[in-house]
Amino acid sequence: IVLTQSPATLSLSPGERGTLSCRASQSVGSHLAWYQQKPGQAPRLLIYETSTRASGVPVRFSGSGSGTDFTLTISSLQPEDVATYYCLQYYNFPYTFGQGTNLEIK
Amino acid sequence: EVELVESGGGIFQPGGSLRLSCAASGFASGDFSTHWVRQAPGQGLEWVSLITGDGIYTFYADSVKGRFTTIRDSANSVHLYMNSLRTEDSGLYFCAKDRTRYGTGSSADFWGRGTLVTVSS
Repeated sequence: IVLTQSPATLSLSPGERGTLSCRASQSVGSHLAWYQQKPGQAPRLLIYETSTRASGVPVRFSGSGSGTDFTLTISSLQPEDVATYYCLQYYNFPYTFGQGTNLEIK
Repeated sequence: EVELVESGGGIFQPGGSLRLSCAASGFASGDFSTHWVRQAPGQGLEWVSLITGDGIYTFYADSVKGRFTTIRDSANSVHLYMNSLRTEDSGLYFCAKDRTRYGTGSSADFWGRGTLVTVSS
């Protein structure tokens, strides 16, 4: 299953709303997760099962979608949200990641 | 506290072999599957392999199938044997704990810091 993320780069001002997309080449049901990775760090699980926030994740992060189209929304961008965001499908083996979206602050 | 620590990285020749290890602590690691994920320098994440908590089932990315083998030799140690190395196998290798207890696999919730593998002549 191929996951395609868009846009490749997203540049937003602090406080703005950000929308990141992940599209699957076939249905993955609700078995989609989102990760945040900052430079030099391991990925951090943000969202699993499409819309469930992982422990400790701020409420400004939310996930939605089903089947082939998924969205990660950041309701009000904070400077610490600068990172690369990846989606992961775990519907079928082999699991696959999207290519990532780089989130920048204007 | 959940902790995963990878080891075994270094510089290796094309065609060679190596073993990476993942030591887990702070949770009942035999109850959870373990993922391997890699990241080439400056590139995105690539899922590599999963082994179930009981060590019975393993799954691999197409890019490594037949060359990589993952085993669990105890409740707290998982190894990734990498054979027939290629330059494109270079990268930072992470092991990660699966989120679901007793499941086959789902998302990974806790990650190690990674061990760097460089394949070069």
